Amino acid sequence: DIQMTQSPSSLSASVGDRVTITCRASQSISNDLNWYQHKPGKAPKLLIYAASSLQSGVPSRFSGSGSGTDFTLTISSLQPEDFATYYCQQSYNTRVYTFGQGTKLEIK
Amino acid sequence: EVQLVQSGAEVKKPGESLKISCKGSGYSFTTYWIGWVRQMPGKGLEWMGIIYPGDSDTRYSPSFQGQVTISADKSISTAYLQWSSLKDTAMYYCVRLTSAAGTRWFDPWGQGTLVTVSS
Repeated sequence: DIQMTQSPSSLSASVGDRVTITCRASQSISNDLNWYQHKPGKAPKLLIYAASSLQSGVPSRFSGSGSGTDFTLTISSLQPEDFATYYCQQSYNTRVYTFGQGTKLEIK
Repeated sequence: EVQLVQSGAEVKKPGESLKISCKGSGYSFTTYWIGWVRQMPGKGLEWMGIIYPGDSDTRYSPSFQGQVTISADKSISTAYLQWSSLKDTAMYYCVRLTSAAGTRWFDPWGQGTLVTVSS
């Protein structure tokens, strides 16, 4: 199975900061990489699909990049509502859709 | 509007059986895969398995094979996740697999069903 490793596992940042989260796949997954935002008590929400495509309705401060094994999610200017846990997920292996372990973004 | 609406929270004893549901609306239920995702308390998201309601083709994560059963009733646009012997407390989400341009992603997500297992 494909393993997904996110870094860091947790991150403290301030409103207005630029934040980058990294996701690495254990083998090449082309651009089959998605990012989700998860807030306590709510369902996860799709932010980025196909590594760099912004889901409709998601603010443009979110962006994704990468291909192959290394991917990043960037938030250009953190807003109060962005404090949440972020997960990457590979969709290359259609028999097992693996998630990364998550990155918890907290207020500094 | 495309929506997945899950059944309500459950409280069960260890070893009991349970079946939770996920009803799709606003799209052709038989032409999209529906998956299930687990989140245990304080832990991350784990992909469990997926079903194609059109022909009931079902795939399981090796971690969940034999532990749960995924099924669907296309006549009522509903997918199910069931256990014959419950062990763990967790939140369960159903998700729709959307495919385009040669890739796939999960959207939308159901609101989640909390299953509490306690003696």
